[in-house]
Amino acid sequence: AQSVTQLGSHVSVSEGALVLLRCNYSSSVPPYLFWYVQYPNQGLQLLLKYTSAATLVKGINGFEAEFKKSETSFHLTKPSAHMSDAAEYFCAVSENPGGYNKLIFGAGTRLAVHP
Amino acid sequence: DTAVSQTPKYLVTQMGNDKSIKCEQNLGHDTMYWYKQDSKKFLKIMFSYNNKELIINETVPNRFSPKSPDKAHLNLHINSLELGDSAVYFCASSQDRGQADTIYFGEGSWLTVV
Repeated sequence: AQSVTQLGSHVSVSEGALVLLRCNYSSSVPPYLFWYVQYPNQGLQLLLKYTSAATLVKGINGFEAEFKKSETSFHLTKPSAHMSDAAEYFCAVSENPGGYNKLIFGAGTRLAVHP
Repeated sequence: DTAVSQTPKYLVTQMGNDKSIKCEQNLGHDTMYWYKQDSKKFLKIMFSYNNKELIINETVPNRFSPKSPDKAHLNLHINSLELGDSAVYFCASSQDRGQADTIYFGEGSWLTVV
């Protein structure tokens, strides 16, 4: 079975600082990987996804992630944090048992941005 | 215009009651899902339907019964509610059931059982 591990349940950065949220995956086949963001009391919004094309994936709101097979990682970065980036971030891998799609989520990382 | 909408957003009810959460998507997608987020924010799939047909049924108590009257709607009925059912329930949809398909989530329904 596939899985993802998010290192660090809480990350705190200063406004303007680099954001780095870590995600490692476990998969016996080439994975499809996703990052979602959840703002307080809201649903999940897709930031970006890796589907075996370019290894550097650009997403919305200035976020990007790099797929590194040798490190089984898909870390999310943003060069300069904004106060509005404070949210819960989820890394997920898509599992496709019997041709049916389902997302396996990591435990999430709460990002705090302080002035 | 909300792509995946679910009602109610907040629901407080007593143990033993039966409740339903409704979901509709206007994206023209073929596949819909129910995910559960527990108090520790952990997200797990419960069910998936493709064109009204149940295709994924995770290990969920049979008190939970999804119903899909058409491919744009997927409702969740819960019988005999228990304290442990308190969670956020997310409806979601995707174009098809491909592994690369983006899954779009609704705003969530916050269920509190007292």
